[in-house]
Amino acid sequence: DVKVTQSSRYLVKRTGEKVFLECVQDMDHENMFWYRQDPGLGLRLIYFSYDVKMKEKGDIPEGYSVSREKKERFSLILESASTNQTSMYLCASSSGTGLGNYGYTFGSGTRLTVV
Amino acid sequence: AQRVTQPEKLLSVFKGAPVELKCNYSYSGSPELFWYVQYSRQRLQLLLRHISRESIKGFTADLNKGETSFHLKKPFAQEEDSAMYYCALRQGGKLIFGQGTELSVKP
Repeated sequence: DVKVTQSSRYLVKRTGEKVFLECVQDMDHENMFWYRQDPGLGLRLIYFSYDVKMKEKGDIPEGYSVSREKKERFSLILESASTNQTSMYLCASSSGTGLGNYGYTFGSGTRLTVV
Repeated sequence: AQRVTQPEKLLSVFKGAPVELKCNYSYSGSPELFWYVQYSRQRLQLLLRHISRESIKGFTADLNKGETSFHLKKPFAQEEDSAMYYCALRQGGKLIFGQGTELSVKP
């Protein structure tokens, strides 16, 4: 019962290409997030969205943009891929802001290699 | 600034030994903390949240506001506990993660 789906498990792209990473959730969650996961650095927040057509910058937004046209879909865009964007990209979603039951549901990740 | 620190990149123990994965945080307010785990070839998943005061798979974590810590503990490690562990702090609707600690439990 997959709840957060990332369209690609592995991607290899060339420097300068425009890259789209897609994430879809089927839990009707309001909040969606994009992180990158690097050894020794943990998970770093790139962008997030609390509602359709809304987006907020995270800690490392440079070189990235996002799109949320529908509630269930949150896309990460690398405008011009560079080798330092080689990483594991994780999408997550969560519902509301209530205490006691808050938590993320993660996708399985997309490992992007830029050559 | 809000921050989560996991000082150990790698923790290696033998099966049956006690385990403590360290997590320190900085937060101005009442913190809400979590531990997430990622087993090999699996997605990241919630292990436990401090507000629930629960024990999952034998793991517990106590929030110590005086020491600003939320260490994860298990009295007797099992080989299946080998995984990557992340401590996380809630800031509004988003989570701030630590650098992660890889736990390796040897037979």
